[in-house]
Amino acid sequence: SQQGEEDPQALSIQEGENATMNCSYKTSINNLQWYRQNSGRGLVHLILIRSNEREKHSGRLRVTLDTSKKSSSLLITASRAADTASYFCATDAYSGGGADGLTFGKGTHLIIQP
Amino acid sequence: GAGVSQSPSNKVTEKGKDVELRCDPISGHTALYWYRQSLGQGLEFLIYFQGNSAPDKSGLPSDRFSAERTGGSVSTLTIQRTQQEDSAVYLCASSHRVGGYGYTFGSGTRLTVV
Repeated sequence: SQQGEEDPQALSIQEGENATMNCSYKTSINNLQWYRQNSGRGLVHLILIRSNEREKHSGRLRVTLDTSKKSSSLLITASRAADTASYFCATDAYSGGGADGLTFGKGTHLIIQP
Repeated sequence: GAGVSQSPSNKVTEKGKDVELRCDPISGHTALYWYRQSLGQGLEFLIYFQGNSAPDKSGLPSDRFSAERTGGSVSTLTIQRTQQEDSAVYLCASSHRVGGYGYTFGSGTRLTVV
């Protein structure tokens, strides 16, 4: 079942601008993760934010988590052409009693115009 | 190994034939996951393995799909009597264990059923 829903589905911006992608989910989570996918193949793990955290940074990435609204955002600052990719949020609802792994949304396709 | 290795990278098969997809996870990762991604879509969970525990098969789409993991390492996903709707990229990932960790993905196997 689809847990995370990314918004927008597609985003096109100029190089150097900031890109913001949002993710909403439905059930309680242990943590939320963001991944990048180039050319429809393997995904690369970007960042993990736990349910008791509100904000996390990694280089040009900033992730926020609002568990009361069941939403997260991924901000990429000073975008580069190499950031062109699909970005997925994934929720981890694991509670120790068995799990079906991360649940992924359908992704946001980000295009950085040079 | 240094990363998650999947083989073959591409597979074209005739409808009705059986196929085997292989995944070699990162050494020391006890959790292994299989996902399927159709063109332009998000990731659909298929099955996961945690150590030597019985796998969670809740995501397998039909009884034509099966998977095993030998010796807690290499995994094989088998699709019997392939159908055209089985065409997709099959992604394998591993993590230290289930819950609370990011995944490392392989590059996937692109399966085309003709």
